[in-house]
Amino acid sequence: AQKITQTQPGMFVQEKEAVTLDCTYDTSDPSYGLFWYKQPSSGEMIFLIYQGSYDQQNATEGRYSLNFQKARKSANLVISASQLGDSAMYFCAMREGGAGGYNKLIFGAGTRLAVHP
Amino acid sequence: NAGVTQTPKFQVLKTGQSMTLQCAQDMNHNSMYWYRQDPGMGLRLIYYSASEGTTDKGEVPNGYNVSRLNKREFSLRLESAAPSQTSVYFCASSVGSRWQYFGPGTRLTVT
Repeated sequence: AQKITQTQPGMFVQEKEAVTLDCTYDTSDPSYGLFWYKQPSSGEMIFLIYQGSYDQQNATEGRYSLNFQKARKSANLVISASQLGDSAMYFCAMREGGAGGYNKLIFGAGTRLAVHP
Repeated sequence: NAGVTQTPKFQVLKTGQSMTLQCAQDMNHNSMYWYRQDPGMGLRLIYYSASEGTTDKGEVPNGYNVSRLNKREFSLRLESAAPSQTSVYFCASSVGSRWQYFGPGTRLTVT
């Protein structure tokens, strides 16, 4: 069964505007972690932000914030003030369980974001 | 501090050939992973090593073997390459539950 769903294959946004990339997940484990990665056309995977299931506040890292709605099992990525360099593929990923010090990640299919000038 | 490094960056194999993909990290991370990414898809876990001396199968282990040589190095071996193994292979390492870093990837084509 698919555990991570990213329903938007492609999105576009005007430069300087905010954009939300959707991610829903499915797990019965009360302890889990959610990650967002950026993959530019060069191919590397760049870690953006992390949210633990027990974290009380939504995670933020600079222009990135994670809108974590636990009851709805959603973990949407919000990028504020989009820049041309934000054009890339974005992946949501989940770790089930409390990790025990390691992360076996399950990835969604990704959303391709295009930022227009 | 190079992070996670992978060699080679590109490789073309013929069906039935074998090869080893190398991965090393200099961040003193305990856990290391191998993922594959097929076109238009997210990454899928092949094998992982939670700590030095241990390895376990992930979601798609068939056709692969791994060796955790020491804390720094984790290699992935294809014994008899098949066209279905054409993919981009990523190595990753992590410490604790919040940080996971990826190498630059190896693009493998099997003809």
